[in-house]
Amino acid sequence: DQQVKQNSPSLSVQEGRISILNCDYTNSMFDYFLWYKKYPAEGPTFLISISSIKDKNEDGRFTVFLNKSAKHLSLHIVPSQPGDSAVYFCAANNFNKFYFGSGTKLNVKP
Amino acid sequence: DARVTQTPRHKVTEMGQEVTMRCQPILGHNTVFWYRQTMMQGLELLAYFRNRAPLDDSGMPKDRFSAEMPDATLATLKIQPSEPRDSAVYFCASGQTGQGSYEQYFGPGTRLTVT
Repeated sequence: DQQVKQNSPSLSVQEGRISILNCDYTNSMFDYFLWYKKYPAEGPTFLISISSIKDKNEDGRFTVFLNKSAKHLSLHIVPSQPGDSAVYFCAANNFNKFYFGSGTKLNVKP
Repeated sequence: DARVTQTPRHKVTEMGQEVTMRCQPILGHNTVFWYRQTMMQGLELLAYFRNRAPLDDSGMPKDRFSAEMPDATLATLKIQPSEPRDSAVYFCASGQTGQGSYEQYFGPGTRLTVT
């Protein structure tokens, strides 16, 4: 039973436009959410996070939005760059146990 | 530049053989995680340790998988006997959790193929 779901396996976006990656979760006890980025043949790297007491966190081109009532998380990348092409995982924390989604492969076309 | 290291990077073995994967966490990190990535399930948490003590291994098939941390610089994940369905990429990650920090640093992974 997956508690964190990324329903879009892939997303294709033109360079310079906005990329929106979505994540849904089922457990209302999750208190912290993270996004990781993964290139082929490498481990995931931390990108941005948000506490459950906030609804937005911004870091440069990356913004994470949290809608607790909808149990929905999204990552916005503006503007998208070809180097952003990777697999993006969302993750949620409950008592230091982490649950990951299955990933969304983002392709940013030049 | 502190990194999590994992060995081997690739392992091909026959069904029934024992497989041992090793991880060196970042010095000073108090928590070590083992994950498995498959096409269908994404990243699954297998087990994790805090201060070398196992806290949760509910994600592991107990009859064939075992995880240990013999010292602060080494974590191991062992599969005995291995089966073709164990073929996946296994990631180790470390972090300084429990103090308001949730970021994990991942190693490059061990790609396991069981034939």
